[in-house]
Amino acid sequence: EDKVVQSPLSLVVHEGDTVTLNCSYEVTNFRSLLWYKQEKKAPTFLFMLTSSGIEKKSGRLSSILDKKELSSILNITATQTGDSAIYLCAVEALTGANSKLTFGKGITLSVRP
Amino acid sequence: NAGVMQNPRHLVRRRGQEARLRCSPMKGHSHVYWYRQLPEEGLKFMVYLQKENIIDESGMPKERFSAEFPKEGPSILRIQQVVRGDSAAYFCASSTPGQKAFFGQGTRLTVV
Repeated sequence: EDKVVQSPLSLVVHEGDTVTLNCSYEVTNFRSLLWYKQEKKAPTFLFMLTSSGIEKKSGRLSSILDKKELSSILNITATQTGDSAIYLCAVEALTGANSKLTFGKGITLSVRP
Repeated sequence: NAGVMQNPRHLVRRRGQEARLRCSPMKGHSHVYWYRQLPEEGLKFMVYLQKENIIDESGMPKERFSAEFPKEGPSILRIQQVVRGDSAAYFCASSTPGQKAFFGQGTRLTVV
């Protein structure tokens, strides 16, 4: 069974801090790893990491995929209260001619003013 | 280009009734996933469908739950004889393989 484990489960920081969110996985036929941010409603896409794109950056957010360690980190620098959300990691694995997404439980980040 | 559309956004059902949740994927997407999110928990996979085919239903409870994605029309997640424990947010996502999945806004089901 495919597994995605995120840590820590929750985190409280102050504005301006830097945070690192972790995701490790055990899947057969890995294809990609995705990070999503979920505020009040639907998750919104942040990054997709594959064998050919193991590092992504967008503003204060960046993410790295370590295929050897079967893990990924999501870094947020100079955090703001608007970064408060649940951060979801998902891994896409090939299943025959198709693929399937498995999600971790998410990391709840609270950024205090 | 509308995103993934789910309806209704909120659904209240009494115990024993049926709940029908609808998901229209993004244009051009032929793959649909359904996830359930219980309070304080992450997204849990339920079922993965392509048009007229169930590819993986390993996350679906064995009884009372069914899903379909007909050739025409939205994907439907159907819960028969709902119980209080079915109260959750149900999210649908659509994609094409190798591309990121896009999520709908979810349907919040409350069983009273």
